[in-house]
Formats: sequence, structure tokens, C-alpha cells
Amino acid sequence: EPEVTQTPSHQVTQMGQEVILRCVPISNHLYFYWYRQILGQKVEFLVSFYNNEISEKSEIFDDQFSVERPDGSNFTLKIRSTKLEDSAMYFCASATGYSGADTQYFGPGTRLTVL
Amino acid sequence: AQTVTQSQPEMSVQEAETVTLSCTYDTSESDYYLFWYKQPPSRQMILVIRQEAYKQQNATENRFSVNFQKAAKSFSLKISDSQLGDAAMYFCAYRNRGGGADGLTFGKGTHLIIQP
Repeated sequence: EPEVTQTPSHQVTQMGQEVILRCVPISNHLYFYWYRQILGQKVEFLVSFYNNEISEKSEIFDDQFSVERPDGSNFTLKIRSTKLEDSAMYFCASATGYSGADTQYFGPGTRLTVL
Repeated sequence: AQTVTQSQPEMSVQEAETVTLSCTYDTSESDYYLFWYKQPPSRQMILVIRQEAYKQQNATENRFSVNFQKAAKSFSLKISDSQLGDAAMYFCAYRNRGGGADGLTFGKGTHLIIQP
């Protein structure tokens, strides 16, 4: 069965550095998402992406974040200048997007540690 | 803004028994979707069951069923005949009705332990 994959599984970076988290969504899906989960807290929606542009974004998704689909398969989340509070699990998801009832398929996550 | 609350950080059940996980939510919308996701240790979240708010009938998927009380804004998950493979974090989630752009709003999760 097709799966969403994410790389790397764990990323350690210094505060102020840029990081790029990568995701490969399921191939026939049209909507892509990023979520994050700070340790001990809820999984929070960051952004949705469709047709090569952002569809929705949350208040968390500020100017330090950006998303891109650089080729036909990858979907990336860039954090420009990481802060300590960006340490979290970041989950990518994809869906066909036909309706709000659609299943969002999640990747295994990337654990980001900012030192 | 919508909120989802799971009041049970952890639940434990004997194998083959039935367990119910609680979820309440708050929304001003009349039409929306509710989901239960399961996250086994070190694995990705997978959808267990979904409920469309305009449907009166409670959703069922094999051993998993929900008790959807729209007026009370309650959406509990019942797992019958619990199996060791059911051990996981369970997340309740809400989504507005609409197209694919909206994200899910999650609760904090319930850690389900299955005692052999």
C-alpha cells in the first residue's frame, strides 16, 4: 500500500540555522499538509498546499516557514532561522482532496531538535 | 476556532475486553467531520474511523464504533474485543466541512494500554 515518507527521521540543528524537512506524498494525491507536535502537546496544523500554492495556513505558519513542491514528488517545509521552540515532531500528510471527509495519510514524522 | 478535548491521557484494558475513549469538541459549525486516528509506537498515524456530522447513524468499522452525540458535542470511540495490536496513542480530530484545504484539529491523545 502506498505510504507517505519523510526524511530525515531525526534532524539536529543549531539555533538560527535553516532546515529543510522533506516529504514524499502519495503519488495521486492533490493536497499536502504539514503538522507539528511539540512534546507533550497537541498535533497542530501548519499549512495545506494545493496546485503549487498554499491553500490554508495557521497562525503558527509565520514568515519563517515556507513550503515548496520542487519537483513532481517531493514536498518540503523550510524553517529559515530555527528557534529553540521549533523543536517538535513534524508530520507531513497527503489526501486526494475531493472532500473534507477524505482520509489524510500521515508520514512517520521528522523529529527536529534545535540546540 | 474549533477545539478538541480528550480528557483521558491514558487508559488500560484487559485483552478481549471493551474500552471507550472519550472526546469532546467545540464548534459553531453545524456540518463537519470527526475522526479517530491511531498512532502505534514509532509508526505513522492511521485513520481508524470517521463520522460525518449530518449523519445520525454512528459509524462502525469492525471492532471499532463511535458514539456521536451532536448536541452534547461528544464523540467517543469504543473498541470491542481489544487486541494487543490495538495498543497505541489514539487521537480524536475535527475538520470543517468543505474541500481539501482545511487541516485537522486534534486532541492531545489517549495512550491505550492493552493488558495480556
